[in-house]
Amino acid sequence: EADIYQTPRYLVIGTGKKITLECSQTMGHDKMYWYQQDPGMELHLIHYSYGVNSTEKGDLSSESTVSRIRTEHFPLTLESARPSHTSQYLCASSDLRTSGRETQYFGPGTRLLVL
Amino acid sequence: QKEVEQDPGPLSVPEGAIVSLNCTYSNSAFQYFMWYRQYSRKGPELLMYTYSSGNKEDGRFTAQVDKSSKYISLFIRDSQPSDSATYLCAMSKAAGNKLTFGGGTRVLVKP
Repeated sequence: EADIYQTPRYLVIGTGKKITLECSQTMGHDKMYWYQQDPGMELHLIHYSYGVNSTEKGDLSSESTVSRIRTEHFPLTLESARPSHTSQYLCASSDLRTSGRETQYFGPGTRLLVL
Repeated sequence: QKEVEQDPGPLSVPEGAIVSLNCTYSNSAFQYFMWYRQYSRKGPELLMYTYSSGNKEDGRFTAQVDKSSKYISLFIRDSQPSDSATYLCAMSKAAGNKLTFGGGTRVLVKP
């Protein structure tokens, strides 16, 4: 079972609030990812990191920001939440060296509702 | 046009039937192909991982890749109600590269 955790699991918040979605993994993986997934839709990569102090934007433009100060921690921040940010956010991590192949392990997700 | 196409379903089958899922893709650069299973309100978990063309079997699951047709398949034999989930295909151009996901097919296995 993958050791990757996301908090909170559910969040209902008003427009304009600043929020931080937490993601932590205890597997020592170098790579971490944030995906956005709307109901019944594909996962869209919004941010990724290949190591500490390394972050890149993904394929889907997002107003969120990320940081990677520690290997195990990859938080995502929205400075001013809007209803268009309502979605499920999934965090994942992987390590090509450990598994011998690119296996992404996913957290349980955070369901965000912005009113 | 999406790079990876997948029928959203739902696909409803009786218990014990074979479930057949597939994805088509447009970019011939994809080399690594994966199938993930996602239960409701959970994150996806890796089921099958294949490289290039060919078949791979793991228990009740068989993954097939046909690169010439840009078509991948997942078969689930002797389906169980616990197989009810959304199945996502994913692919990448190289090991360690970013994944491109299909939209997922929702499968319902009825007892």
